[in-house]
Amino acid sequence: KQEVTQIPAALSVPEGENLVLNCSFTDSAIYNLQWFRQDPGKGLTSLLLIQSSQREQTSGRLNASLDKSSGRSTLYIAASQPGDSATYLCAVENYGGSQGNLIFGKGTKLSVKP
Amino acid sequence: DARVTQTPRHKVTEMGQEVTMRCQPILGHNTVFWYRQTMMQGLELLAYFRNRAPLDDSGMPKDRFSAEMPDATLATLKIQPSEPRDSAVYFCASGLTLLGGKETQYFGPGTRLLVL
Repeated sequence: KQEVTQIPAALSVPEGENLVLNCSFTDSAIYNLQWFRQDPGKGLTSLLLIQSSQREQTSGRLNASLDKSSGRSTLYIAASQPGDSATYLCAVENYGGSQGNLIFGKGTKLSVKP
Repeated sequence: DARVTQTPRHKVTEMGQEVTMRCQPILGHNTVFWYRQTMMQGLELLAYFRNRAPLDDSGMPKDRFSAEMPDATLATLKIQPSEPRDSAVYFCASGLTLLGGKETQYFGPGTRLLVL
């Protein structure tokens, strides 16, 4: 059974710092991996999607990498800003499972202090 | 600005009562997902539909939960009877799945349910 783990559960950094969020998964037979952002009281917004054949994806100050063999993904945020404060979740979609069945980690709550 | 809408946004009810949550997917999307989020379990998929047909509801407790899509613009999730352990935030998401493709899921704001 696929399990997704995110460490740390919470992270507080000063504004301007570069940071890395970690995600690990137990079954490497994934179709893709996504990083989402969730603001308090809001739904999820997809940030980056990495197909299993890809190694990384970039969007602005965000860069996500994927190492399927080791079951790991990282989300790199450059020059963090207070507006980046949110919970970041990663989710994997397995091969062979029900299409669209995303398995989520419990998230890393990021606080960027001015 | 197309977005998924969910009603109600908040619901407080007593144990044993029926709860119905509604979702309006983005117009033109053909796939609808229901998720539940709790502190302990995180986000879990309950059920999803494609072209209004249920494809997977294995994550949903069958004895009290039911999910339907009466038409392409409305998805419902019903709990009867509700229990305190059902307290959670319920999210609906929609996407457009094309042949051989994978959809990006767009999430609604959620319904925060508290069962006393």
